[in-house]
Order: sequence, then C-alpha cells, then structure tokens
Amino acid sequence: DIQMTQSPSSLSASVGDRVTITCQASQDIVNYLNWYQQKPGKAPKLLIYDASSLETGVPSRFSGGGSGTDFTFTISRLQPEDFATYYCQQYDDVPRTFGQGTKVEIK
Amino acid sequence: QVQLQESGPGLVKPSQTLSLTCTLSGASMRNGGYFWSWIRQHPGKGLEWIGYIDYSGSTSYNPSLKSRVTISEDTSKRRFSLRLSSVTAADTAVYYCAREGEDGQGGFDSWGQGTLVIVSS
Repeated sequence: DIQMTQSPSSLSASVGDRVTITCQASQDIVNYLNWYQQKPGKAPKLLIYDASSLETGVPSRFSGGGSGTDFTFTISRLQPEDFATYYCQQYDDVPRTFGQGTKVEIK
Repeated sequence: QVQLQESGPGLVKPSQTLSLTCTLSGASMRNGGYFWSWIRQHPGKGLEWIGYIDYSGSTSYNPSLKSRVTISEDTSKRRFSLRLSSVTAADTAVYYCAREGEDGQGGFDSWGQGTLVIVSS
C-alpha cells in the first residue's frame, strides 16, 4: 500500500492567516493526489484534484501543488468556514489511501 | 448532479454480515466511466477505502478487507451494495458511498451523507 503522511496533524490559526499542510507519499504518485475538507458530522468534500486543480465551485483561496512524493495544500486567507479537517488521498494505485488528516482549529 | 444515499441497518451483531446499499439519483452506474466506492471512517479517525465497482462491473477491494468484502451492483435499480462478513467491534464506523471520477481519475467528487453502523451484541 502507498502510505500518505500528512503534517501537521493539527494546527491553530486565526482568520486571515495563511495555512499550509504537507502530504508525503511513500512512493512516486506523479500528480495523482486529491485534497478534501471534512466538517464534523459531514461527508468529505473534494477541494483539489490532480494535485493542483481546483474543483468547480471551490473558492480560489484554496490551492495545491507538488508532484512525485511531496505535496502541499494552502489556504491563502483563512475564513471562519474553513475550520475543519483536511485529508490528502492518492489514486495512483489501489488501495486508495488517505493521509491521517490535519485538523485546523481556531486560535 | 448525482446524489448518493446509503441505507441499511445501524446495528449488526458480531460475526454477522453487514449489508448496506447506496442508491443513486441523477446518474446511472453504467454511464460516464465512473467508479463507485465504499469508504468508512472509524469514530474520531481517518478515512479507509473499502473498495469499488466500476462502470463495467469490475471490482477492486482493499487487501486488508478483501476476504470479507463483496461489492455488487443492481444497475436497473441504480444502486450498489456492500457486504462485509464476520464483523467485529472493529468494523463499527460511519460508512460512505462515493463516486470517483471517470476511469478512477479526479477524486471522490460525490458522497452520500454517511451511515453509522455499530457492531454490538
């Protein structure tokens, strides 16, 4: 299985802050990497696919980058509705695997 | 806009078989080349992919669950199902059905709301 390692596991930030999360794959996954947002009691929501493509309807303050084994996810200016848990996920191979999640909390 | 809805028992006894159904609206399983997955989330934990059935009816399962999992389809009724046998308390989780992009590309772009299944006697 391809292991996905996210960091940090949690962070505290203020509205307006720039937030960056990293995700490292245990092997080269090219750009087959997606990012999701999950709020308590809700299903995950796809934000970024193919490492850097913004899903339709997702605000442009969200962005992604990277290739190979190292990837980043950035929120340029954190908004109140962005406090949630974020997951990366690879689809280079089966089984599909997710990072352990990064919880973004209010400072 | 596709919508997915999980249904099934919320309580299953240990050693029995967990059975869930995902019903589609606004889409057909055989159109568009999509993959149809089951994903679960243990309480307070991360996401675990269980497996998928694709637009041709082919399946793929997580090796960690493969001996106990069956995903099947009922295309005429626009639904697909999950069966997980010999359940234990470790199978207690929220179970989601989700659509993955065409040919398995582009992420899980549509999800059901999730259904909590508790394994307990």
